[in-house]
Amino acid sequence: EAGVAQSPRYKIIEKRQSVAFWCNPISGHATLYWYQQILGQGPKLLIQFQNNGVVDDSQLPKDRFSAERLKGVDSTLKIQPAKLEDSAVYLCASSLAGVWGEQYFGPGTRLTVT
Amino acid sequence: AQSVTQLGSHVSVSEGALVLLRCNYSSSVPPYLFWYVQYPNQGLQLLLKYTSAATLVKGINGFEAEFKKSETSFHLTKPSAHMSDAAEYFCAVSDTNNNDMRFGAGTRLTVKP
Repeated sequence: EAGVAQSPRYKIIEKRQSVAFWCNPISGHATLYWYQQILGQGPKLLIQFQNNGVVDDSQLPKDRFSAERLKGVDSTLKIQPAKLEDSAVYLCASSLAGVWGEQYFGPGTRLTVT
Repeated sequence: AQSVTQLGSHVSVSEGALVLLRCNYSSSVPPYLFWYVQYPNQGLQLLLKYTSAATLVKGINGFEAEFKKSETSFHLTKPSAHMSDAAEYFCAVSDTNNNDMRFGAGTRLTVKP
């Protein structure tokens, strides 16, 4: 079974530029999550999708971050414009609907904002 | 809202020694509790989970954790450390009413030869 795929793996941009991350979850997983992991901290949930609907985006900085999950499969997370404090690893995870806690994580995208 | 606290950002043990990583949780409803492991440049991998069944939970790679409601703890243990156990370990809690998972800050485990 293929795991959660993310791209790119690494990205370096200057502040005020925009960036987009892509995630392809495990086939059949209805729930998709985006996390932000700042160096030295645990992952923080940014947004959770159930199929193509948003379940929770309470911690998403909506003035600069946006995410979508078209057709309930792939998802993209965008930052525009980026700030220095957005430097982090962005993790995508997926799970079967109703299966608590068994989230499968992708390798992440390491973003550096200079 | 639920939360977890991991005591000790860095734990160092000798190969073959007991591994003990501490986690305390806070939750207003019965929690689900998890331990994840993260190897360098990789995503998180589920080690084990507690979902209100047996209080002693066995996971992969010889790890286990015990849910102690009276102490609000869910410490992770392994009897004998192996060099390959060196990684970052995260404790997490999820509200049983939703799947909003909150992670601790992590504990970096170093295993000395």
